[in-house]
Amino acid sequence: GENVEQHPSTLSVQEGDSAVIKCTYSDSASNYFPWYKQELGKGPQLIIDIRSNVGEKKDQRIAVTLNKTAKHFSLHITETQPEDSAVYFCAASRGNAGNMLTFGGGTRLMVKP
Amino acid sequence: NAGVMQNPRHLVRRRGQEARLRCSPMKGHSHVYWYRQLPEEGLKFMVYLQKENIIDESGMPKERFSAEFPKEGPSILRIQQVVRGDSAAYFCASSQVNEKLFFGSGTQLSVL
Repeated sequence: GENVEQHPSTLSVQEGDSAVIKCTYSDSASNYFPWYKQELGKGPQLIIDIRSNVGEKKDQRIAVTLNKTAKHFSLHITETQPEDSAVYFCAASRGNAGNMLTFGGGTRLMVKP
Repeated sequence: NAGVMQNPRHLVRRRGQEARLRCSPMKGHSHVYWYRQLPEEGLKFMVYLQKENIIDESGMPKERFSAEFPKEGPSILRIQQVVRGDSAAYFCASSQVNEKLFFGSGTQLSVL
């Protein structure tokens, strides 16, 4: 089955700096890659996703890149703000979207004011 | 449009008791997924259901765990004879066909 590795497990940045979180996956048939943000005591919230026919997608301060050949994808957050502090999870799936997502282990992002 | 609703938010059970976790999907969503999250870990897939059907239960423990999504009413994740190792946050997600997953706020199960 699919295996998703996520790095780093913790990331501390200064407010205004950029943050990058990286994931690798093992199943070459995976074609949908969402990113979720989870705040303390809450459920994961979808923040951005990318499909295998696209190499990069951007939404305001966040962007995701995908390298299918190398089987890795990354989340980029620019101009970080304290409210970006949370745990971020990457995931992969064979379906067009949703279905049985396999999650990475998570990255705890701390943005220091 | 209400999001995915899970209840209870917190559930305390003694070893050997039964736990029932409920999930009402978003309006218009016919697919429900259950995930388990241990402290400081990612979410692990448990089961994927459509109305009255279990599509994939490859992540469910073979014993004591069951799930249903009846024609009417919420999806239920049932854990019989709970043990301390069942303590975790259980998240439900819902989607339309081949669409994005939206998660509820979870149920924190504590087994004493």
